[in-house]
Formats: sequence, structure tokens, C-alpha cells
Amino acid sequence: ELKVEQNPLFLSMQEGKNYTIYCNYSTTSDRLYWYRQDPGKSLESLFVLLSNGAVKQEGRLMASLDTKARLSTLHITAAVHDLSATYFCAVFTSGTYKYIFGTGTRLKVLA
Amino acid sequence: SAVISQKPSRDICQRGTSLTIQCQVDSQVTMMFWYRQQPGQSLTLIATANQGSEATYESGFVIDKFPISRPNLTFSTLTVSNMSPEDSSIYLCSVGGPGSSYNEQFFGPGTRLTVL
Repeated sequence: ELKVEQNPLFLSMQEGKNYTIYCNYSTTSDRLYWYRQDPGKSLESLFVLLSNGAVKQEGRLMASLDTKARLSTLHITAAVHDLSATYFCAVFTSGTYKYIFGTGTRLKVLA
Repeated sequence: SAVISQKPSRDICQRGTSLTIQCQVDSQVTMMFWYRQQPGQSLTLIATANQGSEATYESGFVIDKFPISRPNLTFSTLTVSNMSPEDSSIYLCSVGGPGSSYNEQFFGPGTRLTVL
């Protein structure tokens, strides 16, 4: 059974600091997605990573994918309060054509 | 990107009743996904709905409890039957994936269900 684990589950950080969220998955996949969810809202797509070594950046967020290590990272640079949200990674399994979501990381950026 | 709407946006229901959630997409899509998100938890896939065929349910979810309809390529419904407080969750529909019109997944705004 495919498992997708994120760590940390909770992250409280000061504004201006850097941090990385990790997403590990247990089976072969070359498609990895990152989403943001604000309280009471639906999911917003952040990044789509489609190959080994893929790196994408948007503002203070940068995502990367290492398919050999089955690891993706979401790096936060100089955090600001507006980044406070829950972040999910999701792995697509082509054999069964479905997405498996990680446990989520609840990020709180303190002013 | 796909634009997805869901109805109702929220509801409060009594134990033992049923609720049907509608999901409408602004374009034709082959596959639609239904998820449940329990409070403070991640998303769990309930089923995948293809137009013209029976929905495919994930382990732990059964058709009698969560019947799904997919009458055309832009619409689907999920019914939560014989509800109990444990069914209180956000229910989300989504579309997209490799080989579809959208390479990534897009989500509807969700239906927040509270069962008393």
C-alpha cells in the first residue's frame, strides 16, 4: 500500500526564517504535487513536479523532487505571516490512476 | 484551469438521513474524484467516477453508503446515506490528472457536512 508521509506535522516559525517540509513516499512515482489549504477553504495547487530533479519556485516557496530517494521538499525562504496554512503533498499512482495525499503540515508563521 | 462548483456548500443534518452533494465542472472531464476530509485530517479518496461506468470505491467505502452518479462529462453527485456523526467532514470533488485535459488536479470548494 502506498504511503505518503510528511514531516513535520506541525511547524511554528518566526517571520524571516527558513524551513523545509519533507514528503516521503513508499512506491515508485514520477508525479508529485504540492497544495495549500487555508482554514475552511479548499485546496489550492502550488506545484506540479513531473520528473526526477524537477525544481519549481514561486515567491518564497520552492519545491523539488528526487524520485530515486522518493522524496520531495518544500522550502520556505524568509517566511511571512501570509504563508500560514496547511500544506499537503500528493503522489499520483499511474497504475491505479489516483492521488494519495500526505498527512499534511500545519504551518504557523509568527510575526 | 478547471472551475468546479459544489452544492450545498454546507449543511447540518440529522442522524439517519441522507444528503446528496452535487459537483459541476465547467468543461468535460473523463474522471472525477470524491474525497473526504475529516476535521484536522488529510484527504481520503472515497471513489473515482467515470462517466458511463460504475464508480470505483476505495477500501473502507461502499456503494450502499456513498452512492455516486455520473450522468455526463460535467456533473457528478455523491450521496452520504444513513448519516451518523462520524460522517461529519468536508467532502470535496476534483478533476484532472495525466492524460486528461488538465495535467494537475483541481478541487471544488467543498461541502462542509455536520451530522447531529
